[in-house]
Amino acid sequence: EDKVVQSPLSLVVHEGDTVTLNCSYEVTNFRSLLWYKQEKKAPTFLFMLTSSGIEKKSGRLSSILDKKELFSILNITATQTGDSAVYLCAVEASGYGNKLVFGAGTILRVKS
Amino acid sequence: NAGVMQNPRHLVRRRGQEARLRCSPMKGHSHVYWYRQLPEEGLKFMVYLQKENIIDESGMPKERFSAEFPKEGPSILRIQQVVRGDSAAYFCASSWTGGNQPQHFGDGTRLSIL
Repeated sequence: EDKVVQSPLSLVVHEGDTVTLNCSYEVTNFRSLLWYKQEKKAPTFLFMLTSSGIEKKSGRLSSILDKKELFSILNITATQTGDSAVYLCAVEASGYGNKLVFGAGTILRVKS
Repeated sequence: NAGVMQNPRHLVRRRGQEARLRCSPMKGHSHVYWYRQLPEEGLKFMVYLQKENIIDESGMPKERFSAEFPKEGPSILRIQQVVRGDSAAYFCASSWTGGNQPQHFGDGTRLSIL
């Protein structure tokens, strides 16, 4: 069965800290890995990763994929209170459908 | 607003009633996905549709749940004879093509069963 595991489950940091969120997966026919940020409403798309070792960057956020070790990390530098959210990792498996298999999420709280 | 639109935002039903959830994909997107988020759990895939076709319904409960995406109009997720366990947030996502394109999510419909 396809599985995505995120760690830690929750994290509390102070503004300005750097955080690293982890995502490991076991999926047949891996196609891509995606990161989303969920506040109170819709999960908001952050990154889509398909190739190993290529870092994707957007402002203070960056992410990288290791297809050999089957994991990805999401880094947030110089955290701000607005980064407080649930960060979701999802994996897309190729095949007849294109469903996403989600991890349980990491709850990040940034204190001022 | 060019994003994924879901309505209603909140829906309250009594046990045994029917619930209809609507989703209009982003402009230009023809692939629609429905996910369910139970309290304290992650998002779980339910069904994947293209216009007039169900492509993958492997996550749909076998009874009471159905989905459609007609040629005209929004995608509909229909739950008949609702039970307390159907209480959840139901999210719709859309993508431009199937596969290798990010899915973009709507704000969800929070279904409460009395």
